[in-house]
Amino acid sequence: IAGITQAPTSQILAAGRRMTLRCTQDMRHNAMYWYRQDLGLGLRLIHYSNTAGTTGKGEVPDGYSVSRANTDDFPLTLASAVPSQTSVYFCASSDGLAGGSDTQYFGPGTRLTVL
Amino acid sequence: GQNIDQPTEMTATEGAIVQINCTYQTSGFNGLFWYQQHAGEAPTFLSYNVLDGLEEKGRFSSFLSRSKGYSYLLLKELQMKDSASYLCAAMDSNYQLIWGAGTKLIIKP
Repeated sequence: IAGITQAPTSQILAAGRRMTLRCTQDMRHNAMYWYRQDLGLGLRLIHYSNTAGTTGKGEVPDGYSVSRANTDDFPLTLASAVPSQTSVYFCASSDGLAGGSDTQYFGPGTRLTVL
Repeated sequence: GQNIDQPTEMTATEGAIVQINCTYQTSGFNGLFWYQQHAGEAPTFLSYNVLDGLEEKGRFSSFLSRSKGYSYLLLKELQMKDSASYLCAAMDSNYQLIWGAGTKLIIKP
């Protein structure tokens, strides 16, 4: 089934630990995105990648890093987790074509709790 | 700065019509998106408007006025399964989406 998968579904993490959230898409989309969603706030962009081999910073990149070694995978790493990074994390992908309806499709999300 | 405003919560009755409004301020504009998000699930795409006017898609319609920085999502013949949050997002000049906080729609029998 075509789409985006994320792992893990949920995770409880001790502060200071390193964590990588995984995201894989099989739609051959050029662009991929990582968002966090917190109660009462809109989705906030953490990092994005317009194409394999390139990445960019979004609105809230501090404390997070990403890599895009190939088209399908876009992992998000928290080098040293802090409680303020407790959130629901969504990965998304799109064709990445400038202009027109560049619709983003979302994975199921990872619920992360940092204690 | 860039900003999206939409009501926090709305309540409507099954079978009725509801209109969810959204106003936006972005640096440049490349379209307005509406997404639906059920509790505990991922956002799913509903509609995209880039030209002024109304786009109809079954029970859902979306309207855009670029001069007013305004959009609305119209839901007709409401069903219980329409209970969800509705997210408004505007695409800026860098083709990045700026998201509103979402409108939680509660449907009552």
